Amino acid sequence: NAGVMQNPRHLVRRRGQEARLRCSPMKGHSHVYWYRQLPEEGLKFMVYLQKENIIDESGMPKERFSAEFPKEGPSILRIQQVVRGDSAAYFCASSPVLAGSDTQYFGPGTRLTVL
Amino acid sequence: DAKTTQPTSMDCAEGRAANLPCNHSTISGNEYVYWYRQIHSQGPQYIIHGLKNNETNEMASLIITEDRKSSTLILPHATLRDTAVYYCIVRVMDGNNNNDMRFGAGTRLTVKP
Repeated sequence: NAGVMQNPRHLVRRRGQEARLRCSPMKGHSHVYWYRQLPEEGLKFMVYLQKENIIDESGMPKERFSAEFPKEGPSILRIQQVVRGDSAAYFCASSPVLAGSDTQYFGPGTRLTVL
Repeated sequence: DAKTTQPTSMDCAEGRAANLPCNHSTISGNEYVYWYRQIHSQGPQYIIHGLKNNETNEMASLIITEDRKSSTLILPHATLRDTAVYYCIVRVMDGNNNNDMRFGAGTRLTVKP
């Protein structure tokens, strides 16, 4: 049973470009969460999605950042017009549907470097 | 979610038990204690969780005090590969929408040969 998959693992963008980060949850999981980890800091929650719905985006910056989890395909975290401060590791986690069994399992992360 | 307090860092000798404490004095009755670890540059790895009973799995044991205000994660025979940052998190696990994990600074465990 494959774990959470993220790609690319490393992404380099120049200031002003767009970054697209993809996350495929574990089989049977329909809840996806995105976290950001700045260098030498802990993980910070960004957004929680279910299929075709954003449930909680309280941790997401209001501008330039967006997330989706379509009916088919992976979840996408999009960062438009990237700036150097966006350089970080972005982790995706997934959990199953069942109440009382929603432990989150994390992917390996995408390391974004903005030049 | 309740706030947790962990020591910034700890050392442990290889082959010995590593005991990582966590204080969560404001924990609510419906909040679970979760432990994750993050080995350098990797994604956080789930270790164990519990509500009020002690728990054990192939990775570790979790001891929760009777008043639930603190807990200890035990790695029974630490190896060099257990060197990581260990996060103690308390959260409601009710299948509803409040599902983000609040990561603090964690404890940096260094296992030494």
